[in-house]
Amino acid sequence: NAGVMQNPRHLVRRRGQEARLRCSPMKGHSHVYWYRQLPEEGLKFMVYLQKENIIDESGMPKERFSAEFPKEGPSILRIQQVVRGDSAAYFCASSQNLQETQYFGPGTRLLVL
Amino acid sequence: TQLLEQSPQFLSIQEGENLTVYCNSSSVFSSLQWYRQEPGEGPVLLVTVVTGGEVKKLKRLTFQFGDARKDSSLHITAAQPGDTGLYLCARLPHNQGGKLIFGQGTELSVKP
Repeated sequence: NAGVMQNPRHLVRRRGQEARLRCSPMKGHSHVYWYRQLPEEGLKFMVYLQKENIIDESGMPKERFSAEFPKEGPSILRIQQVVRGDSAAYFCASSQNLQETQYFGPGTRLLVL
Repeated sequence: TQLLEQSPQFLSIQEGENLTVYCNSSSVFSSLQWYRQEPGEGPVLLVTVVTGGEVKKLKRLTFQFGDARKDSSLHITAAQPGDTGLYLCARLPHNQGGKLIFGQGTELSVKP
C-alpha cells in the first residue's frame, strides 16, 4: 500500500509565476490536509479537504492560494503570482476518517527566485 | 491560542548519551502526538498519548503524558546517530476537525 505521494518534490519558480503542488492520498483515504513549513518555523495547518469539499481553510492566506480535491485525481494546492515569502516546504497528509491518524507525504520544496 | 511550546529548540549530544525533550501547553489537551521528521522528508508519527500520566515505550524512546494533560516529554536512552532529526509534538484541538497544531520542534543532532 503506497503512502502519501507528492509531486514534484522540488519546484523552482520565479516571482509572479504559478505553482501547482499535487498530493495523492493513501489508498482508501478521503481526507486531505495541507501544511506549510517555513524556515525556522514549525508546521502550520493550511487547509483540510474531503472529496470535492473544502472543510476548513482557516490557515490558508486569503489571496493567491487555493486548494481542491476533485472526485478523481490528486489534491492540488495552487499558488498564483508567487512571491519570495512563499518559499517553504509544503506537506500533504491524509487520513481515512476525521480525527484519525494523519499520514504525511514527503513534501514539495518550493523555492521562489 | 492553543500553543505548544517545545524545549530545547536545539540539542547536540554524543552517541550514547540520554536526553529529554519537552512539550508544554497552558491548556489541557485530549491527546498529544509525537512525530519525527528527517531532513527532506515528511513527519512520521511515533506515538499518540491520550490518558493523563500515561507512559509509552518505543524501543529506546519513552513518552510520558503529564497527569494534568498539559505537558508531555520524550526521553531517549543511549542516543544513536540514527536518532538525529526534528522531533515535533502536535495536538488535535477540540471541535476543529483534523487541524493538527504543532510545536516548533526540537532539532536533535547525535554525533558518533
